[in-house]
Order: sequence, then C-alpha cells, then structure tokens
Amino acid sequence: EAQLLESGGGLVQPGGSLRLSCAASGFTFSSSDMTWVRQSPGKGLEWVSSISGSGGSTYYRDSVKGRFTISRDNPKNTLYLHMTSLRAEDTALYYCAKQVGELEFVHWGQGTLVTVSS
Amino acid sequence: DIQMTQSPSSLSASVGDRVTFTCRASQSIRTYLNWYQQKAGRAPKLLIYAASTLQSGVPSRFSGSGSGTDFTLTVSSLQPEDFATYYCQQTYTSPYTFGRGTKLEIK
Repeated sequence: EAQLLESGGGLVQPGGSLRLSCAASGFTFSSSDMTWVRQSPGKGLEWVSSISGSGGSTYYRDSVKGRFTISRDNPKNTLYLHMTSLRAEDTALYYCAKQVGELEFVHWGQGTLVTVSS
Repeated sequence: DIQMTQSPSSLSASVGDRVTFTCRASQSIRTYLNWYQQKAGRAPKLLIYAASTLQSGVPSRFSGSGSGTDFTLTVSSLQPEDFATYYCQQTYTSPYTFGRGTKLEIK
C-alpha cells in the first residue's frame, strides 16, 4: 500500500526558508509523478507544484514561482519542496500526493504545517 | 485562473437520503474534473475522476456527471461515513484549482 509521510514544517519568520520532505513507500516512486498541495482556512485547497517521475519536468503556481523549488531523490524515495522568501500567505498545511492519469491525486500524506509569522 | 464554484456551501441530510453536490467552472473544462472527500483532520480522498469515473475502492453509491462547465456528484443513499466535506477540482489547465467545498452534515 502506498504511504507518504511529510516532514519539515514549522514556524518561520517572513522572508525565511524551509525545506519540506515527503518519504514515499509501497509503490515505484521513480515512475510516479508527484505533487504538493496546500490547505489553509483562508484559501482552501491549492495546488502548489508538480514534478515528473524523472524529475526532468517541474510545474508551479504563479504565486510560488521563483520562490519554491520542487525536487526529488529517487534512490531515497523522497520528494522535496524548498521554500524561500516565505510570506504570511504561504501559511498552510502542506500535503504531498502521488499523481496518476490526468492529475488525479490518488494517495496523500498526512500533511506538515507551515506557519509564517513574526 | 479557472474559478470553481461549489453549491451549496453546506448541506444537511439524513442517513439513506440521496444528495447531489454541484460544481461550476468559470470556463469549459471538458471533463477534466475530479471530486474529493475530506473528513476532519484527514487528507482528501479521491472519489471520482474525469467527471464520471469511480476511483477504485470507492462505493458505487457515489457517481459523477457533467461536462463543460457544470458538474454534479451524487450519493444515492447516504451512509454514516459519508458525512464530510466534498471538493471539486479542475485539471484542464494550470493552476489546477479546487472549489471551496460543500460540507455535508447530519440532519
């Protein structure tokens, strides 16, 4: 059974950085496109970024382009989201998810909370 | 960005009822529409993809329909475990936007 476990969230000041990790198991990670989705009371669910199985293709929502970087280490079965220049509006629960087909998010982790505040 | 509007924002129903959730896109998304269920404190769970295809393992009382801009999710006979919040999401074009959800509560 596919399992995803996020970590790395926490409290950070505006302008600061964090790196989120998502450890995957129970499926062939290197063949799977992966996604980060965030959820906040103010904005609801938001797709953030996606990456192809090889890592060769990456996609971002406009509000995080140039600030966030998605990457993966296939031998370690781990997905990352490196977040810089963090803003209050980035405060959310961040989920990693396994993608199939036409962007169906079929498996999700439990989420890691990022709070951006001074 | 494509706006996804769900109605109503909340709904009260009883076990055994038939309920329908509505989702409208701000422009045509053909059938690039997914439905998710989220229970309190849990991650979303995929129910329906491509507007009408039931995800493996999801009970057949769930069904989806629609194309273009108007979509519905129907639960034919509510079970106690179905009380949750339901979200639609378009995957026609980036950013892949979600609706704000419909919260289904017990009457």
